[in-house]
Formats: sequence, C-alpha cells, structure tokens
Amino acid sequence: NAGVTQTPKFRVLKTGQSMTLLCAQDMNHEYMYWYRQDPGMGLRLIHYSVGEGTTAKGEVPDGYNVSRLKKQNFLLGLESAAPSQTSVYFCASRPTGAINIQYFGAGTRLSVL
Amino acid sequence: AQTVTQSQPEMSVQEAETVTLSCTYDTSESDYYLFWYKQPPSRQMILVIRQEAYKQQNATENRFSVNFQKAAKSFSLKISDSQLGDAAMYFCAYLPRYNTDKLIFGTGTRLQVFP
Repeated sequence: NAGVTQTPKFRVLKTGQSMTLLCAQDMNHEYMYWYRQDPGMGLRLIHYSVGEGTTAKGEVPDGYNVSRLKKQNFLLGLESAAPSQTSVYFCASRPTGAINIQYFGAGTRLSVL
Repeated sequence: AQTVTQSQPEMSVQEAETVTLSCTYDTSESDYYLFWYKQPPSRQMILVIRQEAYKQQNATENRFSVNFQKAAKSFSLKISDSQLGDAAMYFCAYLPRYNTDKLIFGTGTRLQVFP
C-alpha cells in the first residue's frame, strides 16, 4: 500500500549545490507530476510526464530538470540550487482514463541557504 | 487563464458543528473537473471530493458535500458534524477536461476545529 513515495523527506542545501528528488509510484500510473508549494500559494506545476521517456514543462519549470527513465520513477533535479527554490515539493501520479484523480506523495521540504 | 480563488485564509468551527469553505474559479470552458483536497499537518494531500461540471447533482462523500453553482462559478465545501481530525488546510482545485495535466490550485483555507 505504498502509493506515491518521495525521498528524501527533508533536505538542506547550500546555494549552488545540486540534488535529485526521487518519486516512486507502485500503482502503474502513466502520468506523473512535480509541484512546489510556497507559503500563501497553492501548488504550482513544475514539470510532468505522460509516460515513460516523456517529460513536459509546467507553470514554473526554470531551474529544474526531470527524467522518467522508468515508468514507476520520476526524478526532479536541481543543478545549481538557489534560495528561491526553498519550498515543499510534491510528486503526484494518476492513471489514464476518465477519473483524472491525482494521488500525492507526502512531500519533500527543501531549504536552500 | 484559469484561476481559482479561496477568499477565506482561515476558518474555525466547533466540534460537531457545520462549516462551509468557499471557492470560486474563473474559466471560459464548459467542461471541467473540480476537486477539494485536504492537507493535514502530515503534509499528505488527500482527495476529499470531486465534481464533474456536466453533472448537475452535487457530489457527496459521507460528511463532506459540495454546493456547485456552475453559472456563478462557485464550488463550496460543506463539512457536517465536524471532527477534530478535520483540522487541516483545504485546497480547491480546477482541471480542464481538454488539458488534464494542468491542475490549478487555490491558495488554501486553514480550518481549525475546536472541542
């Protein structure tokens, strides 16, 4: 009953460092998403994937890269972290079909000093 | 561009009472989905209820129900018999049927439940 799992749960980076956030889902969902959540704002879409080997830009893609080499995993990379990327990051997935419900992970809190 | 507005940053309710959270949205589309998500202190986003715009009947899930007014572009959430476990951030979200990868969230309403 894992659903959507995000690792790590917390991370502190220094400006300029790089890191990768991992999202794994065990529901065989085609679609996967990365969002960021900032205080006083709703979730905003960073990048998404409509299937293995595909990625697309969302609303706020700058400074992030993603990869979907395996259907169950969606990686979010920060090549050179900036303080403006301090946020809580959420991954979500959804199946194909008419339901259109996204299932979320528990989030990763990232601080960039 | 579509937008979702939650005008109540915070709400409070007494245990066992009823509370209504407001949500309005702006769109020129006629076919779309609306959602309410709950985010407790654990941060996990949990789907509370879902409404399809072409359905006139308001969705209901146990103690949670919505008042969907399509012409007014309003989608409020009613929580009946409030429980301490209902305390959380609640997000309203909009999803156009023509672009089902662009889920748009409101800014959230923090609900406190007092015993």
